[in-house]
Amino acid sequence: NAGVTQTPKFQVLKTGQSMTLQCAQDMNHEYMSWYRQDPGMGLRLIHYSVGAGITDQGEVPNGYNVSRSTTEDFPLRLLSAAPSQTSVYFCASSLRAGPSYEQYFGPGTRLTVT
Amino acid sequence: DQQVKQNSPSLSVQEGRISILNCDYTNSMFDYFLWYKKYPAEGPTFLISISSIKDKNEDGRFTVFLNKSAKHLSLHIVPSQPGDSAVYFCAASDDNYGQNFVFGPGTRLSVLP
Repeated sequence: NAGVTQTPKFQVLKTGQSMTLQCAQDMNHEYMSWYRQDPGMGLRLIHYSVGAGITDQGEVPNGYNVSRSTTEDFPLRLLSAAPSQTSVYFCASSLRAGPSYEQYFGPGTRLTVT
Repeated sequence: DQQVKQNSPSLSVQEGRISILNCDYTNSMFDYFLWYKKYPAEGPTFLISISSIKDKNEDGRFTVFLNKSAKHLSLHIVPSQPGDSAVYFCAASDDNYGQNFVFGPGTRLSVLP
């Protein structure tokens, strides 16, 4: 049982490049989400999914796309990277949507856009 | 404008003493609150939660207090241990369905042996 896994751990992109951050969970969780963490700020929700085939925007969705074709995987796509997207990205999952369900976080991906 | 504030970026406490981490919020619609702990190079891990129908929740060495009228919550760790040294995030939600939490910026706790 690996929990929530994220790849890669580190990534450097040039402005305008695209890439996909991978997130997978093996706990059969319905709810998955992506956050970014910037210095001096808390985690901010980018996109979330309440189940396969269903996604929705969070607080800071611009510049990011997501899809949820399976229960296990929730990739985050950067379409055209910008320096403002330099951040640490965390994926999380919980059994179901709802604040009483504990969220499990992955170890994070540190992204630098030059 | 931050809806969830943790005004102390850092806190140092002696081992065995009490650690008190504070969190203030501005949105009176928030009805569920959580604390997460984060070690370097790891994701946050859930610590303890409280809903707005309570004013206190306890789990071992960790107690969270909620003062709704003051829009303030605090996390008490007694006794503090060196392994408690981490960044602590307060988070709040007004969404009964989703997990759309608003996180504070975090407080770095250092427990000195």
